[in-house]
Amino acid sequence: AQSVSQHNHHVILSEAASLELGCNYSYGGTVNLFWYVQYPGQHLQLLLKYFSGDPLVKGIKGFEAEFIKSKFSFNLRKPSVQWSDTAEYFCAVNANQAGTALIFGKGTTLSVSS
Amino acid sequence: GAVVSQHPSRVICKSGTSVKIECRSLDFQATTMFWYRQFPKQSLMLMATSNEGSKATYEQGVEKDKFLINHASLTLSTLTVTSAHPEDSSFYICSALPTGGRGNTEAFFGQGTRLTVV
Repeated sequence: AQSVSQHNHHVILSEAASLELGCNYSYGGTVNLFWYVQYPGQHLQLLLKYFSGDPLVKGIKGFEAEFIKSKFSFNLRKPSVQWSDTAEYFCAVNANQAGTALIFGKGTTLSVSS
Repeated sequence: GAVVSQHPSRVICKSGTSVKIECRSLDFQATTMFWYRQFPKQSLMLMATSNEGSKATYEQGVEKDKFLINHASLTLSTLTVTSAHPEDSSFYICSALPTGGRGNTEAFFGQGTRLTVV
């Protein structure tokens, strides 16, 4: 069975600081990887996704993530955070097979102070 | 494109009553839809996988008789919380997988339904 581990439960940063959120997954086969953001009181929004190809994926709002297959990792990064990045971030994975559901990590709360 | 609509967005019901939540893919067909539950400050937990025209597959620990799922068409899946109790209060989210997709197809999420049972 797949599982996703997000190491940081709550991250507190000042504006302009760099961000890296860890995500590791457990699955023996080929996977698809996703990062979602959930702003307070709002629904999920896709930040970026990896299916295949270049392991460095660029998403919206200046976010990027790098897939390191040997480490089963897909860490999310942003060079300079803004106050508006305050939100909950979820890493998710599913098997690269038709019809499989996403399995989510527990989420990381990011608080950015201005 | 790729819009998934959930209705209602918020619902308050009395304990013991049933509530139906709809999940519609507005501009694509979805043979497979997924239902998740999210408790406050927690992650999304997969409840069940719904396939059009067949019985849903429930995750371990999810009561089939309590959370009835019907996927009667390629654009609509419904989740009915039967005999709701306060502990069923939660945020329910659906996602829809476009029909014909292969392993690298993205599923699209609805905006969620906040259920409060009083």
